[in-house]
Amino acid sequence: AQKITQTQPGMFVQEKEAVTLDCTYDTSDQSYGLFWYKQPSSGEMIFLIYQGSYDEQNATEGRYSLNFQKARKSANLVISASQLGDSAMYFCAMRHSTLTDKLIFGTGTRLQVFP
Amino acid sequence: GAVVSQHPSRVICKSGTSVKIECRSLDFQATTMFWYRQFPKQSLMLMATSNEGSKATYEQGVEKDKFLINHASLTLSTLTVTSAHPEDSSFYICSARGAFEQFFGPGTRLTVL
Repeated sequence: AQKITQTQPGMFVQEKEAVTLDCTYDTSDQSYGLFWYKQPSSGEMIFLIYQGSYDEQNATEGRYSLNFQKARKSANLVISASQLGDSAMYFCAMRHSTLTDKLIFGTGTRLQVFP
Repeated sequence: GAVVSQHPSRVICKSGTSVKIECRSLDFQATTMFWYRQFPKQSLMLMATSNEGSKATYEQGVEKDKFLINHASLTLSTLTVTSAHPEDSSFYICSARGAFEQFFGPGTRLTVL
């Protein structure tokens, strides 16, 4: 069965520093997609970054980058130059095949950025 | 990027009443939409996949008679919580797929008294 694991319930980082949020996944499919979403206290889910299983390059979007290690089945999110507005819940998710669009979410990591 | 709206954003109702939540894709057509439920301090749990013009596909453990889903057009899916009870109080979020990512609505916070 497909599964997403986020082992860090909470993380602290100082403003302007980089932080890595861990995500590991389990699937027997060859084709899948990995996502990171940010959920601030307002509740909206904000798409951050996507990595396809066949993508050879690590995805990057501005200050966000995804450290994709396929053999280890990990897809860690790196946020560079943290800002106070980055404080939120972060969810890793997987779409486990092209036959279904369903997303499976991890339990999330609460990131707090302090001055 | 694509926008998905939800209405209402908050609803408070008495136990035993039914509540309808609308999910609209504003600038694209969505043949498939998804309904999630999120309890406080927990992750999103997929409830069902809403397919335009056909019956919804429910996840294991989700009561289809309790959570009625209708996807009557390419831009609108509705979730009706029938005979709501306090344990149905939660944050309900819909989503629709774009080119590769899913766009989420802002969510509806349901409180059943």
